[in-house]
Amino acid sequence: DTGVSQDPRHKITKRGQNVTFRCDPISEHNRLYWYRQTLGQGPEFLTYFQNEAQLEKSRLLSDRFSAERPKGSFSTLEIQRTEQGDSAMYLCASSLNANILSYEQYFGPGTRLTVT
Amino acid sequence: GENVEQHPSTLSVQEGDSAVIKCTYSDSASNYFPWYKQELGKGPQLIIDIRSNVGEKKDQRIAVTLNKTAKHFSLHITETQPEDSAVYFCAAKGDSSYKLIFGSGTRLLVRP
Repeated sequence: DTGVSQDPRHKITKRGQNVTFRCDPISEHNRLYWYRQTLGQGPEFLTYFQNEAQLEKSRLLSDRFSAERPKGSFSTLEIQRTEQGDSAMYLCASSLNANILSYEQYFGPGTRLTVT
Repeated sequence: GENVEQHPSTLSVQEGDSAVIKCTYSDSASNYFPWYKQELGKGPQLIIDIRSNVGEKKDQRIAVTLNKTAKHFSLHITETQPEDSAVYFCAAKGDSSYKLIFGSGTRLLVRP
């Protein structure tokens, strides 16, 4: 399978615990995005990377959230001191910066987080 | 701020009929408009997209139209099949960012 992969697919944690999710983009895709999707809503942008540089962050990304892409390949999203409001599907997408007009984003299956 | 509105929220059609989903966007600088299909438990799947320099694009049974003046775009699915049943999202990309702003989704049910 050469699509975007995410791990784990499901995570249940207790309020106050830290969690970390991993995303592996499509091979050679140099842009990587994180979105959050709550039930019945469209995905909301969190942040994106071009190679290892984090170029944009949403206001939704509070201080408890941190994302990294240290070698420009896979990325991790960490949530510290989880709250019940963090319960959502966390989606990763990637795209290829072949030229300035390359905009297509391909999504992974998501990580469903439940905070109890 | 940037906003994308999507209608209707639910749509039920008979197999073989057409389905139309409409979206409006607020940022006049938006230049790329993808449509995604999301099935239960899966991530969104890109099904078609259109850029701001094109008015219409077609791919087999699906087509997208764009009216830049009115800032709205639509997805048209013809000859619907039960496997078209899913949630469909429209999105828009602003001129100065690569992030996508999504609509709230349309749940399409195709009745056999």
